[in-house]
Parts: sequence; C-alpha cells; structure tokens
Amino acid sequence: GDSVTQMEGPVTLSEEAFLTINCTYTATGYPSLFWYVQYPGEGLQLLLKATKADDKGSNKGFEATYRKETTSFHLEKGSVQVSDSAVYFCALGMNYGGSQGNLIFGKGTKLSVKP
Amino acid sequence: GAGVSQSPRYKVTKRGQDVALRCDPISGHVSLYWYRQALGQGPEFLTYFNYEAQQDKSGLPNDRFSAERPEGSISTLTIQRTEQRDSAMYRCASSPGTGNLYEQYFGPGTRLTVT
Repeated sequence: GDSVTQMEGPVTLSEEAFLTINCTYTATGYPSLFWYVQYPGEGLQLLLKATKADDKGSNKGFEATYRKETTSFHLEKGSVQVSDSAVYFCALGMNYGGSQGNLIFGKGTKLSVKP
Repeated sequence: GAGVSQSPRYKVTKRGQDVALRCDPISGHVSLYWYRQALGQGPEFLTYFNYEAQQDKSGLPNDRFSAERPEGSISTLTIQRTEQRDSAMYRCASSPGTGNLYEQYFGPGTRLTVT
C-alpha cells in the first residue's frame, strides 16, 4: 500500500545550520506531497505542499521539491532558528479514488535547534 | 479566528467504558477528519466527512469505533467498550472543501488513556 518513510530523529542542530530531513514515498498513483509541522503543545500545521512532479513547495524559508524519479520530497532550510524546533511530518494524499482526504503520514522527525 | 477545538483534552477511562470525543471544526469548513496517533508515530487516518456525510470510514479499526457529524459541523467520535490498546492521541482536522482536501487544520488532540 501507499506509505511514507522519513529519516529517524531526533535531529539536533546549532542555530544557522543547514537542515535536511529526508522523506521518500511509495504510491500506486500520483500523490500530492506535504510537510506538516507540530510545535510543542500545538496541533499539526501545514508547512508546504507540492501537487505534481518537479513542483517546489516553500514557506518560512523551508523548501521541498517533488522528485518523481527518486520518489522523494526532502525538506531543507538553509539556516535554522531556535524557533524551528518542532516535529516535522512528511505526508502524502492521493488525488483520486476512494482514499481522497486520507493523508498518509510518516513517523515524524523531531528537530531541536540549540542557540 | 478560532481554530479547531477538541474536548476533552485529556480523558482517562476504565476498560469497558464508552467514551465520546468531540471536535468543533473551523467555522465554514466543509470537510472534517479524524486521526489516531500513537506515541512516536504519525497520525493514522480513521474517517472523514464532507458536510454531514461520512465519505470514508475505512480507517476505523473495528465496529467499536463510530463517528457522526449530524449537522455538518461538530463531530463526535465514539469508542464503545474501550480497551487498553485504544489508548492514543485522537486528532481532529478540518479543511475548507473538496478543492483543498489536504490543507487540513488540526486541533490540539484528545489524549485518551484506558486503564
């Protein structure tokens, strides 16, 4: 079945370091891809999305490119801040069929940024 | 504006009891979703509604779980005869409509503990 695999955490970085969180997916069709973020004590928030191959999603300095050839959607940020400390979830959603609306999430990667 | 709210935030119940978890979506949002999240895992889809119609309940683990959204707004997830394995965070999300199924806004969750 459809699934998402993301890198194990926790990830600990110093402020202003470069961030990459790897995400790969398995899907029978052509999904949309998402990164959600969960700050401490809050619900999940949509961070960015890409709906087709080669699309780049971006928000708050974060970027991810939908790579169909490698079935990947890695999250990157050039310079992290302490306020980026959170749990990041990669997710996919199918664009057709009975499973529309059903987001499939990875296990999450906890990021801690030290000053 | 007000986000998605859930109540109660924490629920401790004894095995065999029934529980009802409530979700109040963002006003005007057409679609409402229920997910379950085990510790260290991503959210796992349970069911979703468009207006009052339950579109997909394929994620409900067994017939002890049911959900309703009778007036197309507030939703209740009911678990009958709770078991210890039902202990988890239950998350509700809403989205504006069928054109934005995956731009889901999550509530803070209800932490259910079955003793």
